[in-house]
Amino acid sequence: QKEVEQDPGPLSVPEGAIVSLNCTYSNSAFQYFMWYRQYSRKGPELLMYTYSSGNKEDGRFTAQVDKSSKYISLFIRDSQPSDSATYLCAMSANDYKLSFGAGTTVTVRA
Amino acid sequence: DAGITQSPRHKVTETGTPVTLRCHQTENHRYMYWYRQDPGHGLRLIHYSYGVKDTDKGEVSDGYSVSRSKTEDFLLTLESATSSQTSVYFCAISEKGTAEDTQYFGPGTRLTVL
Repeated sequence: QKEVEQDPGPLSVPEGAIVSLNCTYSNSAFQYFMWYRQYSRKGPELLMYTYSSGNKEDGRFTAQVDKSSKYISLFIRDSQPSDSATYLCAMSANDYKLSFGAGTTVTVRA
Repeated sequence: DAGITQSPRHKVTETGTPVTLRCHQTENHRYMYWYRQDPGHGLRLIHYSYGVKDTDKGEVSDGYSVSRSKTEDFLLTLESATSSQTSVYFCAISEKGTAEDTQYFGPGTRLTVL
């Protein structure tokens, strides 16, 4: 079993819809949770970072962490075609070692 | 891409040949990483470096070696390439090497081993 599970999708939504992405994990030592966005043929870029449990909001993006359920989510409100990308969750216990999900490919239709 | 370049960007090689990928950074960051990305597996750490001549193994290091003779350059070598090493390789850098420190990724090298 992988340490981090992420539904690969693909996910296709109309412009303006809410996109909901999630990951589950098995390692209870994970404390740092990240979402990376990766456009086609590009390197990943950090989108959101959360420490421990709770919610974090940044513009149209909201990251949620539920450590009791070992479940993290990313919500994108008012989605735009420019949000079309692959979204990778990543997490770490206490150092540079990141465990990544497989990524979910999202397409926002104009 | 945060001052990170990777070369070559694409390479096709044959099984059994040696291959070296280069990562160059202009940010003067101490920590550098090599990952591979494969469908269904996400990104997996191959090797990392925490300073000049200081390197260590990651999750999937078998068949790979690395060298770092200068702060700005981190080389990944496949001593004898195999088809299972066909992948997209990403270099990343970070300043402090801690969990909360952002890792910045390069544009990637697409390697095909025939």
